[in-house]
Amino acid sequence: DAKTTQPPSMDCAEGRAANLPCNHSTISGNEYVYWYRQIHSQGPQYIIHGLKNNETNEMASLIITEDRKSSTLILPHATLRDTAVYYCIVGRYNQGGKLIFGQGTELSVKP
Amino acid sequence: DTAVSQTPKYLVTQMGNDKSIKCEQNLGHDTMYWYKQDSKKFLKIMFSYNNKELIINETVPNRFSPKSPDKAHLNLHINSLELGDSAVYFCASSQESSHGELFFGEGSRLTVL
Repeated sequence: DAKTTQPPSMDCAEGRAANLPCNHSTISGNEYVYWYRQIHSQGPQYIIHGLKNNETNEMASLIITEDRKSSTLILPHATLRDTAVYYCIVGRYNQGGKLIFGQGTELSVKP
Repeated sequence: DTAVSQTPKYLVTQMGNDKSIKCEQNLGHDTMYWYKQDSKKFLKIMFSYNNKELIINETVPNRFSPKSPDKAHLNLHINSLELGDSAVYFCASSQESSHGELFFGEGSRLTVL
């Protein structure tokens, strides 16, 4: 499975967009990019996933570069409740739980 | 109703004891998992069951034995507990036909003294 690289921590001002980068230079053609987050003391929560097109849902947007070697998760208007560890994961569709979580990015949203 | 529920949420026990953590999901999913999150916050998969059959069994000591009585339940039994077993254990579920979206429980914090 491809590995990912994320900055260990980031800050964001409340109400501003949070842009979380992820490098996955060894991603293979049939691997998806998934984003999860873990709010302190809770279980991880699915956010979004994509293959090669940009994706948007009610929580976030996912921008994947054309060569698929990196991606950015965008929280358009960060709130204090978005403070969490954000995990970028690559894996195969239908591979189920064989998603390898790295260290993630600890996002702190500040007032 | 909680989608994926685990019991107990907290468990403190002595070395050498045997303990179980239970997990139930009411989402109708066909696949369930156990993950372990250690003190360094790394989240690692331990087991995965699909329709009551074991499909993923990572390098886990055989003191850990998962049991799936039906599709909605996946319990984790741990024999002869060791200090290094202290961690937060997360249960999760997904639908095989889904796009890898895992639904996690709230976790069970195990402390071995």
